[in-house]
Amino acid sequence: DAGITQSPRYKITETGRQVTLMCHQTWSHSYMFWYRQDLGHGLRLIYYSAAADITDKGEVPDGYVVSRSKTENFPLTLESATRSQTSVYFCASSLQGGTYEQYFGPGTRLTVT
Amino acid sequence: GNSVTQMEGPVTLSEEAFLTINCTYTATGYPSLFWYVQYPGEGLQLLLKATKADDKGSNKGFEATYRKETTSFHLEKGSVQVSDSAVYFCALKLNTGNQFYFGTGTSLTVIP
Repeated sequence: DAGITQSPRYKITETGRQVTLMCHQTWSHSYMFWYRQDLGHGLRLIYYSAAADITDKGEVPDGYVVSRSKTENFPLTLESATRSQTSVYFCASSLQGGTYEQYFGPGTRLTVT
Repeated sequence: GNSVTQMEGPVTLSEEAFLTINCTYTATGYPSLFWYVQYPGEGLQLLLKATKADDKGSNKGFEATYRKETTSFHLEKGSVQVSDSAVYFCALKLNTGNQFYFGTGTSLTVIP
């Protein structure tokens, strides 16, 4: 299907475990983004990527790792999950940077116990 | 720093009522301003945007005017429908860098 997809949609993991959230887009957009959504904070940028093999930190990058070996995929890894990383994670993509519209995936709800 | 402040919700309105959701911003430069909408169980969708002062963004009966003098971008709709029930996010983007700054969101419920 065309668009931007995320998997899994729901994930429960234990403290200390590694978990990877997947993001895939079919538009060949250059830019991809990872946000977390928490009550009282809105959306906060974790990492973004301007192109394959180019990534940069956002507002809250600690505890997360990203990679982008292919334009269409942008996985987010929590190397050692903590309870404070319980959140809803959204992936987004845009054709270019700047004020171009960002298209959001449906989100992944992650619970760390 | 850069930030967006939205009116706290939740907001509950009857169908056909007038809607205003307040949004003010603080920015170190000259931002573009956005309203995104999030329907239940979905990701955010762009609703409207304005890229310079006095611009009015509009879409689906919603509109917002970029007011530099009051650093505001309030969202309005003259007659809401049940299908407008969603969470609305105000956001800003500076002309430099790639980061959007989102407000905390305002939940709107429209009852028949």
